[in-house]
Amino acid sequence: GEDVEQSLFLSVREGDSSVINCTYTDSSSTYLYWYKQEPGAGLQLLTYIFSNMDMKQDQRLTVLLNKKDKHLSLRIADTQTGDSAIYFCAENSGGYNKLIFGAGTRLAVHP
Amino acid sequence: GAVVSQHPSRVICKSGTSVKIECRSLDFQATTMFWYRQFPKQSLMLMATSNEGSKATYEQGVEKDKFLINHASLTLSTLTVTSAHPEDSSFYICSARGGGGFAYEQYFGPGTRLTVT
Repeated sequence: GEDVEQSLFLSVREGDSSVINCTYTDSSSTYLYWYKQEPGAGLQLLTYIFSNMDMKQDQRLTVLLNKKDKHLSLRIADTQTGDSAIYFCAENSGGYNKLIFGAGTRLAVHP
Repeated sequence: GAVVSQHPSRVICKSGTSVKIECRSLDFQATTMFWYRQFPKQSLMLMATSNEGSKATYEQGVEKDKFLINHASLTLSTLTVTSAHPEDSSFYICSARGGGGFAYEQYFGPGTRLTVT
């Protein structure tokens, strides 16, 4: 079945780059997403990438997609304390109705 | 644009009672709304998908008689947890997708924390 996996925790120093990794299993996924969740809040869509792309850049965010290995990463440049949150990777499976989420990576930014 | 609200943000109820959670799309018409459940430090699990004016489609393992979903208008969906029990305590998040624009994007509400005592 569909499955999305992420590492659970990442700690970085303020100003450094953060790289959050994700692997997925459904090769038919059309879009892959990165969402951010702050404590007690809902999810905020950060960025998405279409499956026929291998890179997308949006200000401090860079998404890399290796479709062959089913590997997705999110790079945050110049990480700030406000970036501390849980980051979820998601794929749309079985059409655009259903999103399958990873377990989330908790990013901690320290001075 | 694309704001989704949920009400209430927190609710505490006694075991055996029913609780209704509202999800509204504030500035767009949501042809499809989704209800998710999130346990502490875990991911989101899709419970059901609802299209305006039709019955909700529930994911495997979700009791449709316990989690009643109504999507009566293009801006409102409700989730009613009937005869709630402590194991129903969770964070419930809705999302909405509009008919136009980026059809692959879901806009999420802020979530409702349900505690059943």
